[in-house]
Amino acid sequence: AQRVTQPEKLLSVFKGAPVELKCNYSYSGSPELFWYVQYSRQRLQLLLRHISRESIKGFTADLNKGETSFHLKKPFAQEEDSAMYYCALMSGGYQKVTFGIGTKLQVIP
Amino acid sequence: NAGVTQTPKFQVLKTGQSMTLQCAQDMNHNSMYWYRQDPGMGLRLIYYSASEGTTDKGEVPNGYNVSRLNKREFSLRLESAAPSQTSVYFCASSAPDATNEKLFFGSGTQLSVL
Repeated sequence: AQRVTQPEKLLSVFKGAPVELKCNYSYSGSPELFWYVQYSRQRLQLLLRHISRESIKGFTADLNKGETSFHLKKPFAQEEDSAMYYCALMSGGYQKVTFGIGTKLQVIP
Repeated sequence: NAGVTQTPKFQVLKTGQSMTLQCAQDMNHNSMYWYRQDPGMGLRLIYYSASEGTTDKGEVPNGYNVSRLNKREFSLRLESAAPSQTSVYFCASSAPDATNEKLFFGSGTQLSVL
């Protein structure tokens, strides 16, 4: 069975500090991994996915198959980054998307 | 272009009452999904519909039924609501284009069952 683990329910950092939101997964095949974000009073939306190898709003995430991790990083946190972040794993099409429990990022001014 | 629209946004039910959550998308997506979001549990798939006329169970289907009325609409029905169904419900859709795969979410329905 596939599983996504986000060990931190809440992460508080000061503005300008580096951010790392952790995500580990378990899956026997080749997964596709995503980060979704939900800002206050907004709907859940895709932030980035590993196959794109892109940087969105300064965030990057690298898939580490050896450590089965897909941590989300940003070198300098901004107040507008405060949101709920979900790591997700997809296998065999979207009906098999598994989400983590989410990490609430709080950026302190 | 509204994306994915869910109604209602809030609902309070008594145990045993029934209700239907409505979802519509205007992006011509084939696939639609219903998730529930609970504290400490993340998002869990209730039902999905890969295309018009087909529906399949997800991870937590018990106590729910769905209808894919047409390509645009995918409703979720609680026949006899229970307190365990208190949750935030999200509808989502996804595009058939494999080069731009992502889920588009509705704004959610906050349901309380007393």
